[in-house]
Amino acid sequence: KNQVEQSPQSLIILEGKNCTLQCNYTVSPFSNLRWYKQDTGRGPVSLTIMTFSENTKSNGRYTATLDADTKQSSLHITASQLSDSASYICVVSAGSNYQLIWGAGTKLIIKP
Amino acid sequence: DTEVTQTPKHLVMGMTNKKSLKCEQHMGHRAMYWYKQKAKKPPELMFVYSYEKLSINESVPSRFSPECPNSSLLNLHLHALQPEDSALYLCASSQVGGSGSYEQYFGPGTRLTVT
Repeated sequence: KNQVEQSPQSLIILEGKNCTLQCNYTVSPFSNLRWYKQDTGRGPVSLTIMTFSENTKSNGRYTATLDADTKQSSLHITASQLSDSASYICVVSAGSNYQLIWGAGTKLIIKP
Repeated sequence: DTEVTQTPKHLVMGMTNKKSLKCEQHMGHRAMYWYKQKAKKPPELMFVYSYEKLSINESVPSRFSPECPNSSLLNLHLHALQPEDSALYLCASSQVGGSGSYEQYFGPGTRLTVT
């Protein structure tokens, strides 16, 4: 069964600190892996999208890694800001745009 | 312009009402999607339009009726909804074609409450 699991479920850190969110997946066939940021009550915003051959991808203070052998991905946030408070969702594409397997998300809270 | 717009932002409707949600994009994308998202859950795919034709219906009840009048617009017509249909409705768009799996751009959503 295709699955995407994220950890932790929630995380609280102080402003300015770094953090890393984890994503493990069992999806076949694998097309790409995406990280989305979603503010409460708003639509998801894409942070990165990585294919099988990409190990690392950055978008400002966000850096995603992908290990296709172990089927793990991480999202590292550097120098967190209050505006980073949101849910971060890992999504794996199983071969087409229509077959997206969504993780449950990690709720990140940044405290001043 | 990488924006997907949705109207209205909020909608409250009774179970006997008929209403419509609207979505628009001007990125030249030929795939458009409707998702339903309940609180603290990931989005669930409802419908996919590809080149203005309905290509996927994820067994959605007939009280939800999608329409794609042209390549930029996507509507979701609502009729005789139930309270459990209350949710955030998200529209998205993407490129389509070949064997690619393309990035989806989401709108801000419509918060629907059925009373």
